[in-house]
Amino acid sequence: GQQVMQIPQYQHVQEGEDFTTYCNSSTTLSNIQWYKQRPGGHPVFLIQLVKSGEVKKQKRLTFQFGEAKKNSSLHITATQTTDVGTYFCAVNDYKLSFGAGTTVTVRA
Amino acid sequence: DTAVSQTPKYLVTQMGNDKSIKCEQNLGHDTMYWYKQDSKKFLKIMFSYNNKELIINETVPNRFSPKSPDKAHLNLHINSLELGDSAVYFCASSQGLAGPNTGELFFGEGSRLTVL
Repeated sequence: GQQVMQIPQYQHVQEGEDFTTYCNSSTTLSNIQWYKQRPGGHPVFLIQLVKSGEVKKQKRLTFQFGEAKKNSSLHITATQTTDVGTYFCAVNDYKLSFGAGTTVTVRA
Repeated sequence: DTAVSQTPKYLVTQMGNDKSIKCEQNLGHDTMYWYKQDSKKFLKIMFSYNNKELIINETVPNRFSPKSPDKAHLNLHINSLELGDSAVYFCASSQGLAGPNTGELFFGEGSRLTVL
């Protein structure tokens, strides 16, 4: 099945700063999903990207799907304490496989 | 009402025991899943059912036996628990069949299993 590498594993961010997390695959993806899991919580769907080069925004979150559909990124601007959690990308072949996640902590 | 609910939320038991986790979804979805999340937060699929039929079994030990009495319920029974079974088990559901057109997964709140 498809596997996806997600980096960085940890991201320590000063409140107000921006950061980006990346997912990379060696194979072309049909689509990619992003989830957020708050500490002690469960994964919650954020978005799905399908088209080559697609860019979608949700308030301070910007999601991109690479032109070759082999990579994706999540960029958060002006990080807030509410952004704390683990962000997962997930890719589909016959099952939804999750990346290892980027765990984000915020310094106030 | 909670869309995907699972019980119990916490489970502490001794090695060698047998335990079950129950899951119910009220979203009308046809597909349900069990995922295991280890201490490093890695999420790994275990099983997927579509309308009560097992469609994904990801090389999980035979000690794990899922059962789906109807498409709204997917339970997980674990025999002869081992230390390595300690994890958070998440139930999830989706409208679409597991595959490229699955759509988003809706997760339950998780069941934290601790084996002593």
